[in-house]
Amino acid sequence: GENVEQHPSTLSVQEGDSAVIKCTYSDSASNYFPWYKQELGKGPQLIIDIRSNVGEKKDQRIAVTLNKTAKHFSLHITETQPEDSAVYFCAAMDTGRRALTFGSGTRLQVQP
Amino acid sequence: DAGVIQSPRHEVTEMGQEVTLRCKPISGHNSLFWYRQTMMRGLELLIYFNNNVPIDDSGMPEDRFSAKMPNASFSTLKIQPSEPRDSAVYFCASSLTSGSPTDTQYFGPGTRLTVL
Repeated sequence: GENVEQHPSTLSVQEGDSAVIKCTYSDSASNYFPWYKQELGKGPQLIIDIRSNVGEKKDQRIAVTLNKTAKHFSLHITETQPEDSAVYFCAAMDTGRRALTFGSGTRLQVQP
Repeated sequence: DAGVIQSPRHEVTEMGQEVTLRCKPISGHNSLFWYRQTMMRGLELLIYFNNNVPIDDSGMPEDRFSAKMPNASFSTLKIQPSEPRDSAVYFCASSLTSGSPTDTQYFGPGTRLTVL
């Protein structure tokens, strides 16, 4: 099955700085990589996703990059704001189960 | 749209008791997922349904866990008997297209289960 590793587990940045979260996956056939944001007391919510036919995708202050050769993908948040503080999960498609496998999460804290 | 609805939001029970968690997916969604979230193991997929049919239950930890989806608008996750190690937040999620694992999953608010 798919194995997804996520780093770092915690990340603290100053408001306005950039934040980068990295994930690696094991299933070379995986072709879908979403990122979810979980705020305190809530369920995860999709913020951006990327498919294997592109190397980069951007949505305002959020971007995701994918390196299929190295089997890793990253989330980039620019101009961070206090409301970006949350736990972020990467995920990858387990092609065997046809379901998502999630990383262990990164707690991002943006200091005002 | 009300989103995915889960009940109860919090459940405290004693070891050995039966626990039933409930989920109402978003209307019109054809896939439903049950996840468990713990500090140690993160977010784990327990089971998912397509068109009310269980497709993959390989994540269900043991026979004490069972899930049903009697119709398109309701699912239950039952633990019998419950044990302290079952304490976790249980999430239900739904997505629009049956059999399309790349569809966006919409998560409910979760049920925080504490087994004493």
